[in-house]
Amino acid sequence: SQKIEQNSEALNIQEGKTATLTCNYTNYSPAYLQWYRQDPGRGPVFLLLIRENEKEKRKERLKVTFDTTLKQSLFHITASQPADSATYLCALDIGTGRRALTFGSGTRLQVQP
Amino acid sequence: GAGVSQSPSNKVTEKGKDVELRCDPISGHTALYWYRQSLGQGLEFLIYFQGNSAPDKSGLPSDRFSAERTGGSVSTLTIQRTQQEDSAVYLCASSFTDPSTDTQYFGPGTRLTVL
Repeated sequence: SQKIEQNSEALNIQEGKTATLTCNYTNYSPAYLQWYRQDPGRGPVFLLLIRENEKEKRKERLKVTFDTTLKQSLFHITASQPADSATYLCALDIGTGRRALTFGSGTRLQVQP
Repeated sequence: GAGVSQSPSNKVTEKGKDVELRCDPISGHTALYWYRQSLGQGLEFLIYFQGNSAPDKSGLPSDRFSAERTGGSVSTLTIQRTQQEDSAVYLCASSFTDPSTDTQYFGPGTRLTVL
């Protein structure tokens, strides 16, 4: 079956370290993949979009990679801060004609001061 | 300008009652989406509107769920004869064009509790 997998266990890291979150998918060939941040009680907020022909994209302390062979995207936050604590969701266009995104269940990141 | 707004922010209802949830998208955004998020779960796609095209209703879980978008702007999600399993946060999002290439802007959600 088609699915998107993100580590359901919370990721706990120390402030200043690099956080790496994983998004794996099966049976899709998405042209794009997006990452969102969600804080408790709020809607997701867009962070980055990466296209299939892009291996890597950066925005300030954020870096996303996209490996279409491994069917995996990695999301990195360098020099992490307690304010980065949130749930991070990956989302992709599953290309079945449905034009809305399909989201993973998210990984909760906790940055300890 | 204003972001996506949703109302009410919280709704508590009794099993069997009908509820209406409202979404005001960002002005000028042609695409509007409804998602549902259960506790600790990811977002579940419900329905997608794009301009004047027929909506993509493929995510609606049952015929108790329906949605309208009037005048290409405001949308209402209606759940008839609510069940306890309908309890979730209902999120609305809008985007300017193609969701695959454009940012989706989410509202704060409506938390629905069915007793």
